[in-house]
Amino acid sequence: KNEVEQSPQNLTAQEGEFITINCSYSVGISALHWLQQHPGGGIVSLFMLSSGKKKHGRLIATINIQEKHSSLHITASHPRDSAVYICAVLPMNYGGSQGNLIFGKGTKLSVKP
Amino acid sequence: GAGVSQSPRYKVAKRGQDVALRCDPISGHVSLFWYQQALGQGPEFLTYFQNEAQLDKSGLPSDRFFAERPEGSVSTLKIQRTQQEDSAVYLCASSRRWAGANVLTFGAGSRLTVL
Repeated sequence: KNEVEQSPQNLTAQEGEFITINCSYSVGISALHWLQQHPGGGIVSLFMLSSGKKKHGRLIATINIQEKHSSLHITASHPRDSAVYICAVLPMNYGGSQGNLIFGKGTKLSVKP
Repeated sequence: GAGVSQSPRYKVAKRGQDVALRCDPISGHVSLFWYQQALGQGPEFLTYFQNEAQLDKSGLPSDRFFAERPEGSVSTLKIQRTQQEDSAVYLCASSRRWAGANVLTFGAGSRLTVL
């Protein structure tokens, strides 16, 4: 059973397109992270949110706690945005460990020039 | 340091060999996490330290896996008698406090291949 589901699994877009990646989860959470992973493995934290909406440059992350759903939007996409985007949640009832994030499998984004 | 540093970046081991993977977190970061990422999968939690205390090791897949952070800074993940299923990228992350309230900073990972 996957507690964190991302869609789509793979996404190909043309440069300039508006992109949406979705994350649904089945547990109560304290926080949700959006991460970016480039080929070679390095992971960069994009957002950490527990309610509402955050914006950083061309990236926007939203979360709906009641619906257990979050979205990551990329406006005016660019080839350098090509990466795997991973959603990870920190369950509310984590049994004492604040580090036990549950990760989605990631969405592989490819932006063509 | 400026970021989370992991070494080695790549390790090839023969089945049965012991390996040690090192993580040097951002100076002053209290929390340190180890994750295992199999090919094509999302990372999975292994263990968590707050300073030198290992508060959660529920994700360690077997007793062949051992992690330590004796002085509350550098951490080592040791895998004894490696098996082919141990092949993965091992990611280390640190945060100033605990993950729920703070952004994680990840290292580049150590890619382990067991032949």
